Amino acid sequence: GQNIDQPTEMTATEGAIVQINCTYQTSGFNGLFWYQQHAGEAPTFLSYNVLDGLEEKGRFSSFLSRSKGYSYLLLKELQMKDSASYLCAVVTGGSYIPTFGRGTSLIVHP
Amino acid sequence: SAVISQKPSRDICQRGTSLTIQCQVDSQVTMMFWYRQQPGQSLTLIATANQGSEATYESGFVIDKFPISRPNLTFSTLTVSNMSPEDSSIYLCSVEDPRGVGTEAFFGQGTRLTVV
Repeated sequence: GQNIDQPTEMTATEGAIVQINCTYQTSGFNGLFWYQQHAGEAPTFLSYNVLDGLEEKGRFSSFLSRSKGYSYLLLKELQMKDSASYLCAVVTGGSYIPTFGRGTSLIVHP
Repeated sequence: SAVISQKPSRDICQRGTSLTIQCQVDSQVTMMFWYRQQPGQSLTLIATANQGSEATYESGFVIDKFPISRPNLTFSTLTVSNMSPEDSSIYLCSVEDPRGVGTEAFFGQGTRLTVV
């Protein structure tokens, strides 16, 4: 089976930096996704990591350590519109279908 | 990228009835996926819809409750049968990026179902 763990909720201030962690226990790891989901909307793709290290994309960066079963999503220069749920999803084995964590609800306040 | 049109966007249904949700993609894709997202919960995969063969269901989901059609490479339907209030959830259609494995999945806007 697979176990994906991320915090339920986080709060941060506009303009600040926030790090959302995701730990996983799986067999046959093939990659990790981060998705953003605003309330009432579909998830949208943020990043995909398959190798160890940091991937930077504008204000958002994603880090992966395969040996530790650990990833984080780093959001810089937070904006109010970044208030959303952030979903960590892991692809394993031969299915290549992502298994999602419960998501982290991020609240950005002024 | 792939653009997915899913409908209805929301519905309120009486218990014991059935609802069919449609998913249309603007490009041909091999696999389409149906997810359920219950309030405050993660996305849970219901089944994988393959064109020309029966859908593959995940543990805890059965064809009698969630029959799926996949008549061609751009369209699929999910039916939620004999509904009960426990079926109240958001149902999402998803496809892989046609570029292949390891690339992003695309989601429809979702169908918010309330069973009363």
